[in-house]
Amino acid sequence: GAVVSQHPSWVICKSGTSVKIECRSLDFQATTMFWYRQFPKQSLMLMATSNEGSKATYEQGVEKDKFLINHASLTLSTLTVTSAHPEDSSFYICSAGEAGLQYFGAGTRLSVL
Amino acid sequence: GQNIDQPTEMTATEGAIVQINCTYQTSGFNGLFWYQQHAGEAPTFLSYNVLDGLEEKGRFSSFLSRSKGYSYLLLKELQMKDSASYLCAVRGSNDYKLSFGAGTTVTVRA
Repeated sequence: GAVVSQHPSWVICKSGTSVKIECRSLDFQATTMFWYRQFPKQSLMLMATSNEGSKATYEQGVEKDKFLINHASLTLSTLTVTSAHPEDSSFYICSAGEAGLQYFGAGTRLSVL
Repeated sequence: GQNIDQPTEMTATEGAIVQINCTYQTSGFNGLFWYQQHAGEAPTFLSYNVLDGLEEKGRFSSFLSRSKGYSYLLLKELQMKDSASYLCAVRGSNDYKLSFGAGTTVTVRA
């Protein structure tokens, strides 16, 4: 199957700093990627749909100015958590669609101190 | 809106069979997916149903009834490594966007 690479896998940062997470489709081009957040023992909650060459579409309740998404190429989307706070600590997962299926990155565990 | 329900937890014995049910009420339907997720890892694809009936892939099978808004994932010959969370997800339209259920944590005991 298709491979999606996500980096970093784990990050610890101080409150108030910004963190960038990268999501790459390694062997296919993805015009659309998705960003999810998952809290412990909960399911994946879609945050936004990242569209190559255009603005991301955010789900209701997700602050677009806090979670900046850039999808500048067909193989790379980035999520920047700006001015992170402890409540932003979570597991962030990206995915990309290929041949009708979604393939997930390995996830990024963010801990904000 | 999307409403996807599945049991929270299930426990079974090694070698046994477990069936995880999923019911859904969604605006539009274009396929139902099952994913397996081990703690701290990303979900991995297990199965996909878009037409009614049973899809079998080795020890895992998935069933869909669109008229009933119902699916199940059947895990046979359970192994310890099958202990994980199983996520039911529905695609509501022609794009790739998925709505996930809360997940069912399956614990396999020796």
